[in-house]
Amino acid sequence: KAGVTQTPRYLIKTRGQQVTLSCSPISGHRSVSWYQQTPGQGLQFLFEYFSETQRNKGNFPGRFSGRQFSNSRSEMNVSTLELGDSALYLCASSPGTGAVGTDTQYFGPGTRLTVL
Amino acid sequence: QKEVEQNSGPLSVPEGAIASLNCTYSDRGSQSFFWYRQYSGKSPELIMSIYSNGDKEDGRFTAQLNKASQYVSLLIRDSQPSDSATYLCAVVRAGNMLTFGGGTRLMVKP
Repeated sequence: KAGVTQTPRYLIKTRGQQVTLSCSPISGHRSVSWYQQTPGQGLQFLFEYFSETQRNKGNFPGRFSGRQFSNSRSEMNVSTLELGDSALYLCASSPGTGAVGTDTQYFGPGTRLTVL
Repeated sequence: QKEVEQNSGPLSVPEGAIASLNCTYSDRGSQSFFWYRQYSGKSPELIMSIYSNGDKEDGRFTAQLNKASQYVSLLIRDSQPSDSATYLCAVVRAGNMLTFGGGTRLMVKP
């Protein structure tokens, strides 16, 4: 099976712009989670989507949003970019059909976002 | 107190030795526990999952869980230079949301 894919892999934006990142999960997986990784804060959960519905949300401002399509592909959007949004954004997919909390999440290669 | 705590390291061990990585968590309601390995510039890859108290072995890796003491550990036997990476402990508290520790950097010296 192909793994989780994320596009683009690298992105450079300027403050105030918005950005959309894309994630295609492993075939058959219905849950997609997004994480932000920075040297200072480590890996932090953004949100999880399952069957086109946001199932969980982390402690991030409303500038961070996402959605999931019927084919389980997901996008996340960051509006009004700030310098502090520079990070590696990771998408993880899981089957989503097991007992809640037991799913194994498989990470994509990430999108490296730099905000200038 | 952080929700998931790990010693940042670096933990340095000689090749062939046992590396012991530890993680503590604060929420007694935590359900599932995972260890991920992350090489520099790469994304995390799953090594082990553990859900019940006790030991779980997979090849050179053993995960240990003690819910009463709220800690989970990872032992790597016969450590190899290729095991040099950052090891991330992750805990599930609600839904499928993973809460990660800061990671322990492991260095295996030939």
